Amino acid sequence: AQSVSQHNHHVILSEAASLELGCNYSYGGTVNLFWYVQYPGQHLQLLLKYFSGDPLVKGIKGFEAEFIKSKFSFNLRKPSVQWSDTAEYFCAVYLYNQGGKLIFGQGTELSVKP
Amino acid sequence: DTGVSQNPRHKITKRGQNVTFRCDPISEHNRLYWYRQTLGQGPEFLTYFQNEAQLEKSRLLSDRFSAERPKGSFSTLEIQRTEQGDSAMYLCASSEQDTQYFGPGTRLTVL
Repeated sequence: AQSVSQHNHHVILSEAASLELGCNYSYGGTVNLFWYVQYPGQHLQLLLKYFSGDPLVKGIKGFEAEFIKSKFSFNLRKPSVQWSDTAEYFCAVYLYNQGGKLIFGQGTELSVKP
Repeated sequence: DTGVSQNPRHKITKRGQNVTFRCDPISEHNRLYWYRQTLGQGPEFLTYFQNEAQLEKSRLLSDRFSAERPKGSFSTLEIQRTEQGDSAMYLCASSEQDTQYFGPGTRLTVL
């Protein structure tokens, strides 16, 4: 069965630290890849997405992610986090030949200390 | 606000009661999805519609669950004879193509 794995359940960083959140998926077909963010008390928001082309994609608020096809990975990065980045981050895979449903990872809770 | 809206935002019910949730997608989005999210987990797919046609249902969607999108616009998700295990956040998303936009969710608590 298709699955998405996020390596870290909870990450705690100080402001200005660099961030990398891991995401691996298991699916051999064509995929679109997404990172969504859920700030405290708010709904899921799109952070960035990869469909094709340049495997390094840039999103909102200084986030970027790199698609490495050979590793089935789509890791999220940010060079310098801020307290306002405290949120839960979800990696998701869009399956083309399965109706376009999203398969989500279990999420990574990021806490940034001021 | 032109985003996805869901009502109610919170629902508390007693075991065995029926509940119905509504989702209003972004205008002219032809696809509408329902997901369920429990604490500490990512959203899990339940079902989706292309216009008014329900095209896929997850095994998570037992016979007690039914979803409709009668005119291809808003959708309803009904749970009959609720159980404590149904307690979760029910999320709706809509899309025109490949990017799904989520609503705020309906948090269901079954006592």
